[in-house]
Amino acid sequence: GIQVEQSPPDLILQEGANSTLRCNFSDSVNNLQWFHQNPWGQLINLFYIPSGTKQNGRLSATTVATERYSLLYISSSQTTDSGVYFCAVRSNDYKLSFGAGTTVTVRA
Amino acid sequence: GAGVSQSPSNKVTEKGKDVELRCDPISGHTALYWYRQRLGQGLEFLIYFQGNSAPDKSGLPSDRFSAERTGESVSTLTIQRTQQEDSAVYLCASSLGSSAGEQYFGPGTRLTVT
Repeated sequence: GIQVEQSPPDLILQEGANSTLRCNFSDSVNNLQWFHQNPWGQLINLFYIPSGTKQNGRLSATTVATERYSLLYISSSQTTDSGVYFCAVRSNDYKLSFGAGTTVTVRA
Repeated sequence: GAGVSQSPSNKVTEKGKDVELRCDPISGHTALYWYRQRLGQGLEFLIYFQGNSAPDKSGLPSDRFSAERTGESVSTLTIQRTQQEDSAVYLCASSLGSSAGEQYFGPGTRLTVT
């Protein structure tokens, strides 16, 4: 099956800092999603981005499908950004394959 | 509500007992998925429904696990003779169709087998 690698595994930020999270995948995809899992375990949809660039407030994402990677940018980080960020992809079947996640801790 | 809902939110059961977990997808979503998340790990796929048929059961870990769906509505995941390794959060997701559409997740059911 498709392999999904996320980096870095852990990220500690000071409030106000910017950061970039990376997702590499091993095959062509028809769906790529970024999620934020909050401390209560809820998965929040951030982006549906199989290709191209999208922005939503302080967050933006870029997927370069031909090079099999996606980037999630967090600008002016806030303590509420803390949690685990997951990248998930779908290739030629139905399921989403998830990376192991990046744990982000934003300190005040 | 507009989102995916799951019940119960928490379930503690004794080893060997059967449990049923429920998922209500977003209205109008024909595709429904079950995933499992063990502590500190990513999500692993269990089963996919399109309507009330399950074309992909490849992720079910053993024959103790089964699932059904009524029409394009509620789904139930049943675990028989629970084992301690079944302890995890079970998450349900739905999407508009079986193509590459965006999946939306429920809050999960945290299952603890003692």
